[in-house]
Amino acid sequence: SQQGEEDPQALSIQEGENATMNCSYKTSINNLQWYRQNSGRGLVHLILIRSNEREKHSGRLRVTLDTSKKSSSLLITASRAADTASYFCATDFQGAQKLVFGQGTRLTINP
Amino acid sequence: EADIYQTPRYLVIGTGKKITLECSQTMGHDKMYWYQQDPGMELHLIHYSYGVNSTEKGDLSSESTVSRIRTEHFPLTLESARPSHTSQYLCASQTGGREQYFGPGTRLTVT
Repeated sequence: SQQGEEDPQALSIQEGENATMNCSYKTSINNLQWYRQNSGRGLVHLILIRSNEREKHSGRLRVTLDTSKKSSSLLITASRAADTASYFCATDFQGAQKLVFGQGTRLTINP
Repeated sequence: EADIYQTPRYLVIGTGKKITLECSQTMGHDKMYWYQQDPGMELHLIHYSYGVNSTEKGDLSSESTVSRIRTEHFPLTLESARPSHTSQYLCASQTGGREQYFGPGTRLTVT
């Protein structure tokens, strides 16, 4: 399967701590994207990192990409209760016409 | 918030009924997608379109059909609903940069 594998499946931390989620994939990509989904809602695009980039920042989000290991990580710093959601990586494989989503990491921020 | 809309948000219907889930976007995106997602689970691509009069089946076998007569409109139809169709259906459109914008979803329950 070309599907991205996310790790961990669930993560529970205290407010103010950092949260790290990982995504691994199997074939060459054009880019990798991270999305957030609040319960019962659609997904919201967070950040896109291209295959020739190694790190990208957006506010409290930091994404890294290691194409040699075929993996990416999403770091949320200084977490807040509002960050509680599921986070999905989506891979844009070379030659594919669609994104492939991972199974997601369910993040819970405890006050 | 992205300009992509789905109606209805919630639907409860009986087995055998025909239903159409509506999806519209005002961003002029050519590519649009339908995903099926059970609560807390991964997304499964069921249909996609590259533009007007273009439709393709996705990775998940589905008894639904789609049409794309106008750029902004991508409805999904179930000719005969069954309890196995109970799920959340997410519609998305894609930018030229390959980021996807999602609608809020339709939560369908078939009794």
